[in-house]
Amino acid sequence: GNSVTQMEGPVTLSEEAFLTINCTYTATGYPSLFWYVQYPGEGLQLLLKATKADDKGSNKGFEATYRKETTSFHLEKGSVQVSDSAVYFCALSDRGAGSYQLTFGKGTKLSVIP
Amino acid sequence: DAGVTQSPTHLIKTRGQQVTLRCSPKSGHDTVSWYQQALGQGPQFIFQYYEEEERQRGNFPDRFSGHQFPNYSSELNVNALLLGDSALYLCASSFTGEGGYTFGSGTRLTVV
Repeated sequence: GNSVTQMEGPVTLSEEAFLTINCTYTATGYPSLFWYVQYPGEGLQLLLKATKADDKGSNKGFEATYRKETTSFHLEKGSVQVSDSAVYFCALSDRGAGSYQLTFGKGTKLSVIP
Repeated sequence: DAGVTQSPTHLIKTRGQQVTLRCSPKSGHDTVSWYQQALGQGPQFIFQYYEEEERQRGNFPDRFSGHQFPNYSSELNVNALLLGDSALYLCASSFTGEGGYTFGSGTRLTVV
């Protein structure tokens, strides 16, 4: 079946540091890949997505590139801010295999300190 | 433009009881999915409703059931509650199940 593995947290960075959160996936088809962010006490918000190999998703300074050869979709940001403190989830959707569900990783908690 | 609305935001139930959670999808969306998010975990897919029918179901027991109404809103019912059912229940809507999903803020269920 499909699965998503992302790096364990928590991750603590100083403001303006570089961020990488690793994500790898296993899928039977050719999935779409997503990063969602969850702020304390809130639901999930879509941060960025990529629907095919070599696509780069980007939003609010965050980027992730769909790497089919390494089955990865790592999240990066060049300079984090305190307001980026949240839990980040990598997810996939395998519509090509006839599935409508999102499969999530366990999440990575990011704390940015001033 | 209202996003996904869930109610109630919090509730506490006793083991063995039944609970109903409600979700109103984002305007223009016709598909509703439900997820269970245990503390410190990623959301797990329960099921999806489209055209008032359950279109896909995750690995959850029959105690979990749902319904979609003609206005696309949805309910999640859980019978014979267990302590392990304590979680944040998230509703997500989309148009036909394609593209991106919009999530609500969730209902925090505590079973005591």
